[in-house]
Amino acid sequence: GQNIDQPTEMTATEGAIVQINCTYQTSGFNGLFWYQQHAGEAPTFLSYNVLDGLEEKGRFSSFLSRSKGYSYLLLKELQMKDSASYLCAVRAHTGGFKTIFGAGTRLFVKA
Amino acid sequence: EPEVTQTPSHQVTQMGQEVILHCVPISNHLYFYWYRQILGQKVEFLVSFYNNEISEKSEIFDDQFSVERPDGSNFTLKIRSTKLEDSAMYFCASRERTNTEAFFGQGTRLTVV
Repeated sequence: GQNIDQPTEMTATEGAIVQINCTYQTSGFNGLFWYQQHAGEAPTFLSYNVLDGLEEKGRFSSFLSRSKGYSYLLLKELQMKDSASYLCAVRAHTGGFKTIFGAGTRLFVKA
Repeated sequence: EPEVTQTPSHQVTQMGQEVILHCVPISNHLYFYWYRQILGQKVEFLVSFYNNEISEKSEIFDDQFSVERPDGSNFTLKIRSTKLEDSAMYFCASRERTNTEAFFGQGTRLTVV
């Protein structure tokens, strides 16, 4: 089976940096995604890692260590609009491809 | 910018009725998915579809559910004999290739009363 763990909630200050961790266990690992989801809206894609290392995209960076089953999403220069849930999702190849989402980390950005 | 379109945005149905949720994936995408999200809970994988057949499904996707691609553009999820616990937001997603991100539609909020 697959298991994804991420903190339930985090709070950070506007302008600061926050790191959201994700650990996973799966067989047939085929990539890890981070999505942002505002309340009542659809998830929107942030980043994709399939190889170890850091992927940077503007204010957002994502890191993957496959041997440790670990990823993090780094958000810099936090803005109020970054208040949302951040979903870690792992794709596995188990016959077909299946992407499983973690429960999400709700981030509150305060002034 | 191309987007995944879902209709209706909100569907209310009586318990025991059948519903069909509609999705139009992005036109050059080859992989299609349905997810659901019960209010306050995580996004749950239901089914993936490729080359006109189901490629993977979760334990949630039992005989009550079916998917179809009736023509070149639509991708539907049918739920037979709906139950109260089927009330959720249902998201359709599509992907161009296996190593690219999935784009989500805005969802259909299904309420079973």
